[in-house]
Amino acid sequence: KAGVTQTPRYLIKTRGQQVTLSCSPISGHRSVSWYQQTPGQGLQFLFEYFSETQRNKGNFPGRFSGRQFSNSRSEMNVSTLELGDSALYLCASSGSGSGNTIYFGEGSWLTVV
Amino acid sequence: AQRVTQPEKLLSVFKGAPVELKCNYSYSGSPELFWYVQYSRQRLQLLLRHISRESIKGFTADLNKGETSFHLKKPFAQEEDSAMYYCALGVPGNTGKLIFGQGTTLQVKP
Repeated sequence: KAGVTQTPRYLIKTRGQQVTLSCSPISGHRSVSWYQQTPGQGLQFLFEYFSETQRNKGNFPGRFSGRQFSNSRSEMNVSTLELGDSALYLCASSGSGSGNTIYFGEGSWLTVV
Repeated sequence: AQRVTQPEKLLSVFKGAPVELKCNYSYSGSPELFWYVQYSRQRLQLLLRHISRESIKGFTADLNKGETSFHLKKPFAQEEDSAMYYCALGVPGNTGKLIFGQGTTLQVKP
């Protein structure tokens, strides 16, 4: 079965712009989470969506938002980009219920110039 | 506060030597603990979880609640084990949320 798919893989944006990243979870998975990975801060949890509802939220400013569609696909949006938003953004999916393995995508590399 | 600490940024060993990647956590309840691995140019993938108590690729990890540790061990390192290793804490019931340590790069020299 296909893994977690993220698009685009690489993108460059200018400070002040906004960006939307897309994630297709593994078929049948209803939970989608987003993480930011940077050399300085490591892997940090952004938020999780389950059945189109945000279930958990990390400690990021309101410029970071997301949503999930009825087919479980998810998007995350970052508005008013700052240089510090340059990072690898990882999407992960898992089945419902605790104890399910969380599978990660390859990530979207965002560079803000 | 929930926290995961991996004290070593880099661990360098020779092939055939034992490996221990340290992980300590801070959590007041009963945590779910995982080790994830990221090989060069590959996605992050689950190596093992404490619930399973299994050995994957020769690696094992035991949860020590008294010491709040979940160290990853392998008796004989192989060159293909070279990768970035992340310890992660999952909060029971919060299936999609993981708190990661900073990661340890394991370098196995021939």
